[in-house]
Amino acid sequence: GDSVTQMEGPVTLSEEAFLTINCTYTATGYPSLFWYVQYPGEGLQLLLKATKADDKGSNKGFEATYRKETTSFHLEKGSVQVSDSAVYFCALSLGGGGADGLTFGKGTHLIIQP
Amino acid sequence: DAGVIQSPRHEVTEMGQEVTLRCKPISGHNSLFWYRQTMMRGLELLIYFNNNVPIDDSGMPEDRFSAKMPNASFSTLKIQPSEPRDSAVYFCASSNRGLDGSPLHFGNGTRLTVT
Repeated sequence: GDSVTQMEGPVTLSEEAFLTINCTYTATGYPSLFWYVQYPGEGLQLLLKATKADDKGSNKGFEATYRKETTSFHLEKGSVQVSDSAVYFCALSLGGGGADGLTFGKGTHLIIQP
Repeated sequence: DAGVIQSPRHEVTEMGQEVTLRCKPISGHNSLFWYRQTMMRGLELLIYFNNNVPIDDSGMPEDRFSAKMPNASFSTLKIQPSEPRDSAVYFCASSNRGLDGSPLHFGNGTRLTVT
């Protein structure tokens, strides 16, 4: 079946450090790929998305490129802030992201220290 | 846009009791999803509806779980009888199916504790 694998957390970085959170996927078709972020006590929020190979999603300084050849969608940010501390989820959908639900990775807890 | 609204935010109940979780999706969205989040299993899709009709309930763990969507603006997830292993955060999400790449919009969740 379809699945998403993320790097285990927690990931602890200092403010202004470079961030990479790895994500790889397995899917039977051509999925759309997403990164969601969850702040404490809240639901998940869409951070960025890419719907086809070589697309780059970006938002709030975060970027991820859909790499079909490596089945990856790694999340990056050049300079993290304390406010980026949250849990990040990689997800895929074969239905455009809304039609048939998302398959999520287990999440990566990011901690940014001042 | 008030977002997806879930109630209650927290629920503490004793084993064997009935629990009902409620969700109001975003107006105009035609798909609704119930997810469960635990440390061990992460986010699991329990069931989803399209135009108020249940499409896939294969994620519902047991017959103790049931979900309804009587109209486009309301859904419930019921657990009867509840067990301690049902303790988790339950999220409702909605989206506009048919819109390519339409994201899921999540509520803030209901934290359920069964003692």
